[in-house]
Amino acid sequence: AQSVSQHNHHVILSEAASLELGCNYSYGGTVNLFWYVQYPGQHLQLLLKYFSGDPLVKGIKGFEAEFIKSKFSFNLRKPSVQWSDTAEYFCAVNLRNFGNEKLTFGTGTRLTIIP
Amino acid sequence: SQTIHQWPATLVQPVGSPLSLECTVEGTSNPNLYWYRQAAGRGLQLLFYSVGIGQISSEVPQNLSASRPQDRQFILSSKKLLLSDSGFYLCASQGQGTSSYNSPLHFGNGTRLTVT
Repeated sequence: AQSVSQHNHHVILSEAASLELGCNYSYGGTVNLFWYVQYPGQHLQLLLKYFSGDPLVKGIKGFEAEFIKSKFSFNLRKPSVQWSDTAEYFCAVNLRNFGNEKLTFGTGTRLTIIP
Repeated sequence: SQTIHQWPATLVQPVGSPLSLECTVEGTSNPNLYWYRQAAGRGLQLLFYSVGIGQISSEVPQNLSASRPQDRQFILSSKKLLLSDSGFYLCASQGQGTSSYNSPLHFGNGTRLTVT
């Protein structure tokens, strides 16, 4: 069965620290990959996505993620975090050419940035 | 852009009572609509999705049902709540005719349901 794993449940960092949140998936075919973010008091929203091409994708607010096919991973990174990055981050994976009814989410990583 | 309205924001209901959560969408027509549940320590689990009025697909067997009486209205219901129905329920919308690689999901703010 398809699955998405986010091994870091809660990450606490100081401002200006570098961030990497892990995401691994278990799928048997070509995939589309997403990171969604939920800031406190706000709705879940798309941070970045990978469909094809350059495996290093840039998202909003300085975030990026790298698709490493051989490792079945799509880790989220940011070189220097800010207090405003405090949020919950969800990785999601879908099989190519399928609709969102086949989208699988990870359990989420809560990120807390200490000023 | 799309706006998803969900209410209520929080709800405390006794076991055995009925449930009705409502979701309405603005800013698009003929959207695909979704109900997700997030239980503590678990990812977002898709419960139902709908590609049109009266068309509901269920992803997991459960104590819940969904209805879509109007194009931009999606309702999650239960006749008798169970303790295991507690969780955070999210409604999401996507433009009709687009698959995930064309259009991201737009989410509402969610409803926190506690069954006591």
